[in-house]
Amino acid sequence: DVKVTQSSRYLVKRTGEKVFLECVQDMDHENMFWYRQDPGLGLRLIYFSYDVKMKEKGDIPEGYSVSREKKERFSLILESASTNQTSMYLCASSRERVRTDTQYFGPGTRLTVL
Amino acid sequence: GNSVTQMEGPVTLSEEAFLTINCTYTATGYPSLFWYVQYPGEGLQLLLKATKADDKGSNKGFEATYRKETTSFHLEKGSVQVSDSAVYFCALSGSARQLTFGSGTQLTVLP
Repeated sequence: DVKVTQSSRYLVKRTGEKVFLECVQDMDHENMFWYRQDPGLGLRLIYFSYDVKMKEKGDIPEGYSVSREKKERFSLILESASTNQTSMYLCASSRERVRTDTQYFGPGTRLTVL
Repeated sequence: GNSVTQMEGPVTLSEEAFLTINCTYTATGYPSLFWYVQYPGEGLQLLLKATKADDKGSNKGFEATYRKETTSFHLEKGSVQVSDSAVYFCALSGSARQLTFGSGTQLTVLP
């Protein structure tokens, strides 16, 4: 089975802190994604990566950056956390860059910024 | 751009009732369509998918048919169980090969 793990289930940070969210997948997938999930808005794509050291902006990249130094690991960085970044963050991976491919999700990190 | 519109929730049903969750989409070309489910405290997992017009996806008693003429992909189940209580997301993958999600529908099934 594909396993996508996220470093924390719950995280509480203060405004202005730098925050790192880590995601690791164990199936040698090429593609990795970061989403945020908010009630009534579904999932919105923040950043994605189709290869090591490669990144592309999604729909809502402002206030975020990412790093992919190794194929299995994709990190989301909040350079200076703000209260409007309080949300559930979901990481996903997929094997191929085709429209039919399934994405596999981690359990999510619920981030609260005070 | 691509968009997905889902039936507003929450939906509350009694066990063994019939379920329909409506989903319509806007996309150019020939998208693939998906239903993902999120059980309490978990991430999303694929429930079913369909990759071309008139395809029917099915899994765990759930079904959805890709209707290009009505741009719809409604989710149905003939007899729901308490264990089906979850949030259901309709999604599409188009030419950019990224997923666009609907807003999600919370389903609660009462015993």
